[in-house]
Amino acid sequence: SQELEQSPQSLIVQEGKNLTINCTSSKTLYGLYWYKQKYGEGLIFLMMLQKGGEEKSHEKITAKLDEKKQQSSLHITASQPSHAGIYLCGADLIQGAQKLVFGQGTRLTINP
Amino acid sequence: NAGVMQNPRHLVRRRGQEARLRCSPMKGHSHVYWYRQLPEEGLKFMVYLQKENIIDESGMPKERFSAEFPKEGPSILRIQQVVRGDSAAYFCASSPRSGGPSYGYTFGSGTRLTVV
Repeated sequence: SQELEQSPQSLIVQEGKNLTINCTSSKTLYGLYWYKQKYGEGLIFLMMLQKGGEEKSHEKITAKLDEKKQQSSLHITASQPSHAGIYLCGADLIQGAQKLVFGQGTRLTINP
Repeated sequence: NAGVMQNPRHLVRRRGQEARLRCSPMKGHSHVYWYRQLPEEGLKFMVYLQKENIIDESGMPKERFSAEFPKEGPSILRIQQVVRGDSAAYFCASSPRSGGPSYGYTFGSGTRLTVV
């Protein structure tokens, strides 16, 4: 089984709608990173969370890390075509190990 | 300030040939990480290097794969005698010091290796 589970695996939403992607671990998340990947391209850094209960926002994207530091959510408000892509969560599951474990990704499609 | 530069972007090799993938970290970054993304699979950690040192190679296949980060020049991921199963996207990331929540990781655009 995956150490980091992302859900859903794929998501199709109407432009303008809100959506949420989840990232869950059975282990403590010492650092949680959200990246976006366009097909065939590199990873674009979105946000990094470290503290339990932490929440960060950038433009229409908000990421949260729960108090227990085992789950994170990424919420997009009023989705736009530019939000389409694959969203990846990565995590430090061993403190100080310097290697990220990634979820399988969530493929987001925005319909006009 | 240029980001993490990887080249080539696309590489085609015949079975049995060698593949060399290059990664120049961001200016001021001295830590490099290599990840592999196999088709239909997630990103997997391969190796973590500092200048002239391999710190963690727990994700590297035991045979045919090697990595280096010399004092001068880019980091190199080398795959000898490539097989079809090596076809994947290889990503490099860098951090200014040891990454983690304090400094994060910046990824390059990747090298897509196709073995024919």
